[in-house]
Amino acid sequence: GAVVSQHPSRVICKSGTSVKIECRSLDFQATTMFWYRQFPKQSLMLMATSNEGSKATYEQGVEKDKFLINHASLTLSTLTVTSAHPEDSSFYICSAPPRDSSGANVLTFGAGSRLTVL
Amino acid sequence: AQSVTQPDIHITVSEGASLELRCNYSYGATPYLFWYVQSPGQGLQLLLKYFSGDTLVQGIKGFEAEFKRSQSSFNLRKPSVHWSDAAEYFCAVGAWGGYQKVTFGIGTKLQVIP
Repeated sequence: GAVVSQHPSRVICKSGTSVKIECRSLDFQATTMFWYRQFPKQSLMLMATSNEGSKATYEQGVEKDKFLINHASLTLSTLTVTSAHPEDSSFYICSAPPRDSSGANVLTFGAGSRLTVL
Repeated sequence: AQSVTQPDIHITVSEGASLELRCNYSYGATPYLFWYVQSPGQGLQLLLKYFSGDTLVQGIKGFEAEFKRSQSSFNLRKPSVHWSDAAEYFCAVGAWGGYQKVTFGIGTKLQVIP
């Protein structure tokens, strides 16, 4: 089945530094990937849609300059949290929509990346 | 705009008992509905989905869900819960058409007691 790999699974950084999270589709191509953020005991909130070969589309209220998204190839999207602060600490999850046997696009999720900013 | 309501934030059931997790959605057209499960510190795994056809859909791990258009519901059920089912369950609704955006409910945390 379709697999989405996310790395790193956990990262701890100092305030003011930048952190890069990678999302890879291992056995399918994804021209679009989605980045979600999940706060403790809350649901997933869509941050942005990553588009291969073009700019990402950000949801309302998400800072484009803080959360840089680059869809470098058909199998890789990266999320860079720039100048991270403690309030950026969260669980970040990516997803991609491979087509399943019915021809529909069903989201497959990475395992998530737990970011802790000290 | 589409939305999903999961009225139960936390449910506790005994191992072997039946389970029903509630989900109500709001969507202007025919919805595409999903149930995902998330174990602690993990990503989401698709349990089942409904696009069309039979309104009772079977998923992995013995789960099933029934789409009821008149009630705008897509409740998840399992006849006999196992301790390994303890996790958080998310109902989601999506729009068909290329790469759909999916809106998630707030989730229901399931606790299974011996």
